[in-house]
Amino acid sequence: DTEVTQTPKHLVMGMTNKKSLKCEQHMGHRAMYWYKQKAKKPPELMFVYSYEKLSINESVPSRFSPECPNSSLLNLHLHALQPEDSALYLCASSPRRDGTGYSPLHFGNGTRLTVT
Amino acid sequence: EDKVVQSPLSLVVHEGDTVTLNCSYEVTNFRSLLWYKQEKKAPTFLFMLTSSGIEKKSGRLSSILDKKELSSILNITATQTGDSAIYLCAKMWGGSQGNLIFGKGTKLSVKP
Repeated sequence: DTEVTQTPKHLVMGMTNKKSLKCEQHMGHRAMYWYKQKAKKPPELMFVYSYEKLSINESVPSRFSPECPNSSLLNLHLHALQPEDSALYLCASSPRRDGTGYSPLHFGNGTRLTVT
Repeated sequence: EDKVVQSPLSLVVHEGDTVTLNCSYEVTNFRSLLWYKQEKKAPTFLFMLTSSGIEKKSGRLSSILDKKELSSILNITATQTGDSAIYLCAKMWGGSQGNLIFGKGTKLSVKP
């Protein structure tokens, strides 16, 4: 088990549904990330939050809406998704760079999303 | 274009064999090179390499970065069936915070 917790583990939703993915970490990390991983492909970056502020949006469609309520929580709100959005959605966190160098990302187990 | 290229894409070996996985990257905005192991779920962090020529070791796994060749290798000695996984190489890039560009991974299968 990882120290980054994602819920739910599995989610099936229709194209008209609204749902949310949740991610939580209590390691005091100040950078949090959403990645999308399609089958047999590497993870691809979607969003980066640094100190609860969105710092990178990798041209993700607006049907994906991230939210960082506090330093421990990261949500991904989903609305009007398409079947091709079916994938494993991974959350990750890392300590904020402290001047001594960068730190690795720690990943959660992901939410496996199926859009019908 | 930022690219991370891994080879081979897949590899089948027998228990006890030693394997070497390769990763090459483009130098643009390079910060560090990371290796992850992914079985069914979360990529698990293995190594982070920032300096060239310094080997990092963890048990039977070791890795080293060559900044002149823009490459890294991951070695696994005395492989076990539990080493079967996809090994992902990722380039960390960026200014004020790091984020990752992943290679396609090497799928390692270790047969008993």
